[in-house]
Amino acid sequence: ETGVTQTPRHLVMGMTNKKSLKCEQHLGHNAMYWYKQSAKKPLELMFVYSLEERVENNSVPSRFSPECPNSSHLFLHLHTLQPEDSALYLCASSQDSHGNQPQHFGDGTRLSIL
Amino acid sequence: GEDVEQSLFLSVREGDSSVINCTYTDSSSTYLYWYKQEPGAGLQLLTYIFSNMDMKQDQRLTVLLNKKDKHLSLRIADTQTGDSAIYFCAKTSYDKVIFGPGTSLSVIP
Repeated sequence: ETGVTQTPRHLVMGMTNKKSLKCEQHLGHNAMYWYKQSAKKPLELMFVYSLEERVENNSVPSRFSPECPNSSHLFLHLHTLQPEDSALYLCASSQDSHGNQPQHFGDGTRLSIL
Repeated sequence: GEDVEQSLFLSVREGDSSVINCTYTDSSSTYLYWYKQEPGAGLQLLTYIFSNMDMKQDQRLTVLLNKKDKHLSLRIADTQTGDSAIYFCAKTSYDKVIFGPGTSLSVIP
């Protein structure tokens, strides 16, 4: 599915680097999400944006900083990450943020912290 | 809070039917979803059902909802090797979507 596009697909970075993950949706949705998927752990919701306003922040460390400049784009800025932050980061979008419409996911960015 | 549970593994022979089960704790009226995740990819929406329905069929997929037992199942008829993936059930709960841990389906040729 090309409705939600994430770049890059793979990212290797050192703990002192700064990088950004990008997500773009072409579905005309109003809500966008960042999830973290680690091996052998449930999917973790990190951030929710509705109409470019952050509506949820699930106790995510400040080394992760989201940005939603418009309803089609979502970024996750990374700095001073830890090895335990290595995971698959998934972006999703939906028509609204109330759960009454299905979320559509991108293919994720596989992040490895050295 | 809401809990969504699934068994973690299922193994079936090619051509057989697969049944993936999901249980939940909150019984509020809502949407329930099934997603499929193949290796190296994101979650792909397979189907969804509203809680006023008992069953939904879409080609090889049949979703059954037992509201009394708070049980949701996904049946895949004539399972193929391409169906090998992780299957997530998810449920709306108080404006949030709660995902289960995923069931890894292995199809034996």
